[in-house]
Amino acid sequence: GAVVSQHPSWVICKSGTSVKIECRSLDFQATTMFWYRQFPKQSLMLMATSNEGSKATYEQGVEKDKFLINHASLTLSTLTVTSAHPEDSSFYICSAGLGKNIQYFGAGTRLSVL
Amino acid sequence: ILNVEQSPQSLHVQEGDSTNFTCSFPSSNFYALHWYRWETAKSPEALFVMTLNGDEKKKGRISATLNTKEGYSYLYIKGSQPEDSATYLCARNTGNQFYFGTGTSLTVIP
Repeated sequence: GAVVSQHPSWVICKSGTSVKIECRSLDFQATTMFWYRQFPKQSLMLMATSNEGSKATYEQGVEKDKFLINHASLTLSTLTVTSAHPEDSSFYICSAGLGKNIQYFGAGTRLSVL
Repeated sequence: ILNVEQSPQSLHVQEGDSTNFTCSFPSSNFYALHWYRWETAKSPEALFVMTLNGDEKKKGRISATLNTKEGYSYLYIKGSQPEDSATYLCARNTGNQFYFGTGTSLTVIP
């Protein structure tokens, strides 16, 4: 199957710093990538849809200035959590779309903001 | 049903037992139903994609059924093995957007 690589897998940072998470499709090109967030005991919730070469589409309630998404190439999307605060501590996971019905996932990033 | 719901939340079974769990979802605007197997620290692995009412899919000891009219899918594991221990996620998609359940955590005890 297709492989999606996500880095880092775990990051601890101080409050107020910015954190960048990378999502790469290793063996296919993805015009669309997706960013999800999961809080404990909850389901994966879509934050935004990242479109190659254009602006990301954010879900309601997700601050676009806080969660910056860049999808500059067909194999790489990045999510930057700007000025992170403890409430941003969560599990973030990306996926790359291959056709309408298929998404391949990264392994996720555990973010802890102190 | 407004959201995708999975039950039970967690499950412990003995090696060799067969087991099944449920995914319930809104039946309106249905496009496809997905099952993923997710081991800790790994990427969710796609097991099945089902689109038609009455679909049944099988991969080794794992199979799944779909009822789009009443909005549910069952995942069955026959003769559970310790390596089946994982979280099983289901998701419903409407076009590009996926809606996930909270998963069923399966532990198979040797």
